[in-house]
Amino acid sequence: GNSVTQMEGPVTLSEEAFLTINCTYTATGYPSLFWYVQYPGEGLQLLLKATKADDKGSNKGFEATYRKETTSFHLEKGSVQVSDSAVYFCALTLPNTGFQKLVFGTGTRLLVSP
Amino acid sequence: GAGVSQSPSNKVTEKGKDVELRCDPISGHTALYWYRQSLGQGLEFLIYFQGNSAPDKSGLPSDRFSAERTGGSVSTLTIQRTQQEDSAVYLCASSSSGGLRTEAFFGQGTRLTVV
Repeated sequence: GNSVTQMEGPVTLSEEAFLTINCTYTATGYPSLFWYVQYPGEGLQLLLKATKADDKGSNKGFEATYRKETTSFHLEKGSVQVSDSAVYFCALTLPNTGFQKLVFGTGTRLLVSP
Repeated sequence: GAGVSQSPSNKVTEKGKDVELRCDPISGHTALYWYRQSLGQGLEFLIYFQGNSAPDKSGLPSDRFSAERTGGSVSTLTIQRTQQEDSAVYLCASSSSGGLRTEAFFGQGTRLTVV
């Protein structure tokens, strides 16, 4: 079946540290890949996306590259801030579903301390 | 409205009771989704509405779950004879169309606790 696997959290970092949150997927076909973020007390927000192999999604200093050969979409940021503390969800959709039916990972909580 | 609005934000109910959860999508959005976020299962797709088309109900976990969307706008998710395993955060999202390239905007969710 189609699934997304994320590293378990929490990930605890100091401000200005480098962030990597691993995400790998299993899918039949060619999925589109997403990272969503959920800040405390808020709804899920789209952070970035990539729709085909080798595409790089980027937003707010975060980046992720769609790697078909390793079926991965790891999230990275060069220098995290306290305000980046949130839960991050990797997700995919498949074109043959005909609509944006998201399959999510379990989420990774990021805690950034000053 | 400015965003997707869900009500109530929290609901505590007794096992066996029926509950209704409401979602008010962004004005003009034709696509509406319900997801469930639970400790054991993560975020799961439940149901999808697009315009006047028949909904995709493939994610509903049992026949105790149903949803409707009146007038192409507000949606209600109904859970009959609630069970403890129904405890979760129920998220609603809407998008301008169901297309794969359109962004889905999520509400803050309704936290359901079945006691």
